[in-house]
Amino acid sequence: AQSVSQHNHHVILSEAASLELGCNYSYGGTVNLFWYVQYPGQHLQLLLKYFSGDPLVKGIKGFEAEFIKSKFSFNLRKPSVQWSDTAEYFCAVNANNNDMRFGAGTRLTVKP
Amino acid sequence: DAGVTQSPTHLIKTRGQQVTLRCSPKSGHDTVSWYQQALGQGPQFIFQYYEEEERQRGNFPDRFSGHQFPNYSSELNVNALLLGDSALYLCASSGTANNEKLFFGSGTQLSVL
Repeated sequence: AQSVSQHNHHVILSEAASLELGCNYSYGGTVNLFWYVQYPGQHLQLLLKYFSGDPLVKGIKGFEAEFIKSKFSFNLRKPSVQWSDTAEYFCAVNANNNDMRFGAGTRLTVKP
Repeated sequence: DAGVTQSPTHLIKTRGQQVTLRCSPKSGHDTVSWYQQALGQGPQFIFQYYEEEERQRGNFPDRFSGHQFPNYSSELNVNALLLGDSALYLCASSGTANNEKLFFGSGTQLSVL
């Protein structure tokens, strides 16, 4: 069955630290990959997505993610986090145009 | 341009009752998906509606049912509520049926007592 795993439940960083959030999925075939972000009190919104082409995709607010097909991974990165990046981050997979499956989420707390 | 709107924002019910949640998709979108997000978990796919029909369904019992209207708005119905149904229910819309990009509403927080 299609599943998405996010390894970190809660990450705490200081401002300017680098960020990497792990995401692995278990599904063969063609996949579309997404990272969504949920800021406190706000709804889920798309951070970035990968459909095909360059496996390194750039999203909003300086975030990027790399698709490594051999590792079934789609890790999210940011070189230097800000206090405003404090949020919950969800990795999601849509395989073969089926429904979107989300990971359990990683809560990021950035200390000012 | 209104985004995805959901109503009500909060709801309290008791076990055994029935509930109806409503969703209006983003303008121009024809596909509506419903998700359940329990506390501390990611959204779990309930079902998706396109052209007024249920296209896909997740692992939820038949107590969960839905409907899509000609104007693309949608309802989620849950019968015989259980305590475990307490969660945030999210509606997401997209312009195609393949989930290329989902736009989420703010959700309906359902509490079952």
